[in-house]
Amino acid sequence: SAVISQKPSRDICQRGTSLTIQCQVDSQVTMMFWYRQQPGQSLTLIATANQGSEATYESGFVIDKFPISRPNLTFSTLTVSNMSPEDSSIYLCSVTRTGTGTNSQYFGPGTRLLVL
Amino acid sequence: GEDVEQSLFLSVREGDSSVINCTYTDSSSTYLYWYKQEPGAGLQLLTYIFSNMDMKQDQRLTVLLNKKDKHLSLRIADTQTGDSAIYFCAESFSPHNAGNMLTFGGGTRLMVKP
Repeated sequence: SAVISQKPSRDICQRGTSLTIQCQVDSQVTMMFWYRQQPGQSLTLIATANQGSEATYESGFVIDKFPISRPNLTFSTLTVSNMSPEDSSIYLCSVTRTGTGTNSQYFGPGTRLLVL
Repeated sequence: GEDVEQSLFLSVREGDSSVINCTYTDSSSTYLYWYKQEPGAGLQLLTYIFSNMDMKQDQRLTVLLNKKDKHLSLRIADTQTGDSAIYFCAESFSPHNAGNMLTFGGGTRLMVKP
């Protein structure tokens, strides 16, 4: 398994400000992912955080809005920039753990963001 | 693109079996997962099945995969009130140099009545 922590667990922010979410994993992992879960909806992949190179963003998500850092193999940050109420969501960090005959995804507890 | 679909809601009585269904479109899926999300909590991996398997049993959980029909189901035997949660079906594939990303269904909210 993988133990993943996120900070902050929740925040209330004003429109136009930015929030940086931290994700810490208890062991080194190659791939880290950032998901968003908007109210009443399923998870949507924002981007893949790569160590040593720029993040890979999914359609509809751009680096200027969601800059990501991946300074090492156990840590990543996601910044939600110039926030609007539409950014109110749960943001989840996720990692892949690959082993013999298995391939699992593990998720952090999520950061619940409310933008006023 | 990939598409994963689930029914939105399921209600059962405590002690009965629950069957949550999922259909997917991507025939190249390698692993199929079931996640559980309790209120206010993150996702928990319940179980997974590799695409060359038909069935997997893990205590009260039974996963059935019909690869021909691209249909996945999760059966929970002797459902308890603590099983009330949202259950997400997810599939993964391995695109070139992209690790192992998941496509999720919309989630099925399971309500267990005493």
